[in-house]
Amino acid sequence: KAGVTQTPRYLIKTRGQQVTLSCSPISGHRSVSWYQQTPGQGLQFLFEYFSETQRNKGNFPGRFSGRQFSNSRSEMNVSTLELGDSALYLCASSLLGAGNTIYFGEGSWLTVV
Amino acid sequence: GDSVTQMEGPVTLSEEAFLTINCTYTATGYPSLFWYVQYPGEGLQLLLKATKADDKGSNKGFEATYRKETTSFHLEKGSVQVSDSAVYFCALSDNSGGSNYKLTFGKGTLLTVNP
Repeated sequence: KAGVTQTPRYLIKTRGQQVTLSCSPISGHRSVSWYQQTPGQGLQFLFEYFSETQRNKGNFPGRFSGRQFSNSRSEMNVSTLELGDSALYLCASSLLGAGNTIYFGEGSWLTVV
Repeated sequence: GDSVTQMEGPVTLSEEAFLTINCTYTATGYPSLFWYVQYPGEGLQLLLKATKADDKGSNKGFEATYRKETTSFHLEKGSVQVSDSAVYFCALSDNSGGSNYKLTFGKGTLLTVNP
């Protein structure tokens, strides 16, 4: 079956702009989470959604937001972009329940100039 | 809070050498443990996992055993190949409350295998 699909794969934005990234989870997966990967900070949890509700959020400023739709697809938005937001943004999906594997997409590479 | 500490790289080996990447963790509950691999320019792929103490995860010749007494989950492979060159991440999910949604990652170990 299809894996986690993220779009766009690559994008370049200017400081101050906003960006929206999209994620389609594996069919049947209702938990969708987002991670930011940078060389300096590594992989950091952004937030997780289940049944259109944000259940938890990582330690990121309010400029980072997200949402989940009734079909489990998710979007994340970053407003007022800063140079430091340049990163690989990874979406992941899983079935609910302890021990279930979290599957990752290929990511969206964001460069802020 | 939860944390994962893994061996800093880079690690450079010759083909057919033995690989060990150390990983230790701190968690309040009974986490599930994972190794993910990231090839250049790609996302994360699950390599193996273990969900309870003494479980051994294995895949593609890689193995790791969940050791609760030493809070460790070291990755091993008996004979590495050039195609194993990648970044390896150790991670845990805190299952307290039955939720598996959040992974805490180590900083990653870059492995380069030379022919």
